[in-house]
Amino acid sequence: AQSVTQPDIHITVSEGASLELRCNYSYGATPYLFWYVQSPGQGLQLLLKYFSGDTLVQGIKGFEAEFKRSQSSFNLRKPSVHWSDAAEYFCAVGIGAGNTGKLIFGQGTTLQVKP
Amino acid sequence: NAGVMQNPRHLVRRRGQEARLRCSPMKGHSHVYWYRQLPEEGLKFMVYLQKENIIDESGMPKERFSAEFPKEGPSILRIQQVVRGDSAAYFCASSPISTGELFFGEGSRLTVL
Repeated sequence: AQSVTQPDIHITVSEGASLELRCNYSYGATPYLFWYVQSPGQGLQLLLKYFSGDTLVQGIKGFEAEFKRSQSSFNLRKPSVHWSDAAEYFCAVGIGAGNTGKLIFGQGTTLQVKP
Repeated sequence: NAGVMQNPRHLVRRRGQEARLRCSPMKGHSHVYWYRQLPEEGLKFMVYLQKENIIDESGMPKERFSAEFPKEGPSILRIQQVVRGDSAAYFCASSPISTGELFFGEGSRLTVL
């Protein structure tokens, strides 16, 4: 069955520290992969996406993610976290044939940033 | 350049009433998606529409829920005879073509008393 797993429900890091949020997916075909961020009471904003090509993708706000087919993973990283990065982060996989707007989301990882 | 506009932002209904949620996609976007976020859960796909057509409604509950995207005006998600389990945040997203790059609205939060 198609699914997305984000193993970490909550993560706390100190400001300036590096960050890695984990995402594993289960999907039979070549996946379209996304990371979104959601601030409290707000909608989702796209951080980055992977469709094909270079497996290391750069996104907005200094985030990057690496697609590893052998591990079915698409982990999100940032070398130095800012207090404004505190939010909820969602990994998603596009599952619709010819319609990649149909996404399966993980349950999200809440990031807390300590001063 | 306005983003995806959803209204109302907050809606309170009593059990058995109807809820109507509206979504105006970004200018130039002809594809609209509705997602539901239940408490402590991620977003779940409900329905995908293009102008005047429902393309994929595989995530819609079989009863009480309907969606439309008319030729003129916003997309509407309609929930009839609401129950407490319908309490959730409903997000609309649009895309210019079916690329998977979705632009989300801020959501409509439905509370059923």
